[in-house]
Amino acid sequence: EVQLLESGGGLVQPGKSLRLSCAASGFTFPSYALSWIRQAPGKGLEWVSTVTPGGGSTYYADSVKGRFIISRDNFKNTLYLDLNGLRADDTAVYYCAKEFVSGSPGGWFGPWGQGTLVTVSS
Amino acid sequence: EIVMTQSPATLSVSPGERATLSCRASQSIAGSLAWYQQKPGQAPRLLIFAASTRATGVPARFSGSGSGTEFTLTISSLQSDDFAVYYCQQYSIWPLTFGGGTRMEI
Repeated sequence: EVQLLESGGGLVQPGKSLRLSCAASGFTFPSYALSWIRQAPGKGLEWVSTVTPGGGSTYYADSVKGRFIISRDNFKNTLYLDLNGLRADDTAVYYCAKEFVSGSPGGWFGPWGQGTLVTVSS
Repeated sequence: EIVMTQSPATLSVSPGERATLSCRASQSIAGSLAWYQQKPGQAPRLLIFAASTRATGVPARFSGSGSGTEFTLTISSLQSDDFAVYYCQQYSIWPLTFGGGTRMEI
């Protein structure tokens, strides 16, 4: 069974940094692109970032480009998201999600982790 | 960026009724569309990909159709477990974008 378990969320002050992790199991981790998708409280879904299976290419939403960094460790089966220069509008539940099809990124997602809440406030 | 617009924002239906949810893309995405279901406090769950292909384990009462810019998710006979929020997502062009969601209410 595929499992994705996010961690690292919490309360952080504006301008500070945070690292999110997503521990994966139940599938061939190095074969799949992985993404972060967020959901502000009471709002819809927003794609944040994707990394290719080997980690060599990354994609970002304009809203986080230059502030967030996605990475992965294919030996530890773990996905990361470094959140820098946090702002109040970054407050959201952050989900990690596996691309449904192995190989190239830019598809649809399944399954998703349960999410980790990041709250940016002074 | 491709803007995905879902309608209606809220749909009030009774168990056993048929529900039709719409998703419109701001430009053609061919069949590169997925649908997700999200229940309160839970992560989204994949229902449909490639506009009309049901994911494993999704009941046959869920069906997707459409191509280009107009897409539909139909639930043929609503069950109590189906009352949730539904999102569409295009994966034709970066950035990947989601619709604003349709909330299904009893």
